[in-house]
Amino acid sequence: AQKVTQAQTEISVVEKEDVTLDCVYETRDTTYYLFWYKQPPSGELVFLIRRNSFDEQNEISGRYSWNFQKSTSSFNFTITASQVVDSAVYFCALSPYDRGSTLGRLYFGRGTQLTVWP
Amino acid sequence: DAGVTQSPTHLIKTRGQHVTLRCSPISGHKSVSWYQQVLGQGPQFIFQYYEKEERGRGNFPDRFSARQFPNYSSELNVNALLLGDSALYLCASSLTLTQTTSTDTQYFGPGTRLTVL
Repeated sequence: AQKVTQAQTEISVVEKEDVTLDCVYETRDTTYYLFWYKQPPSGELVFLIRRNSFDEQNEISGRYSWNFQKSTSSFNFTITASQVVDSAVYFCALSPYDRGSTLGRLYFGRGTQLTVWP
Repeated sequence: DAGVTQSPTHLIKTRGQHVTLRCSPISGHKSVSWYQQVLGQGPQFIFQYYEKEERGRGNFPDRFSARQFPNYSSELNVNALLLGDSALYLCASSLTLTQTTSTDTQYFGPGTRLTVL
């Protein structure tokens, strides 16, 4: 079974604080992809990052960074020096890749509502 | 280039009615997927189409059906609407099925918000 857990339902921070959004996943597939999407109030899901199960290198993109740890089945997302425009719902998603899986199908967590106050 | 477009933006129906939601993928994209997002939850996979063939179906009743046209646009149909069908319906497109490369990213449309009264 495929499962993504985002235990933090809501997080509130003040502008310029750092914030980490947690994501824990479950899968029996040996090959899989992990994603983070941002959903602003407009509703459209915006792609942020993709990692495959064989690449555990952390990644940094501007104020965003991602920590993938296969040993703990976690793929956490950190925003450094948060800004009001970062306020949105953030989703972690899993796409399994072994034989029999529906390629490209995304399994989403329930999302974390991030509010950044000025 | 235009992104994924969906119509209508909002829709209000009553129980028992039928609804058709439409999606136009990004030009050149051949794969379209549909997701249902109930308020406060993450999107749930409904269907995936690639080259006009159904390639995947989620755990939804037969009241839900879809199809993909020769121009790769897609329709999602829901019959005998229930109150529980009220949700944001998201369409996503990608070049292929795999999402393994930067060119394969699944791009989402703004969604159709369906309210069933």
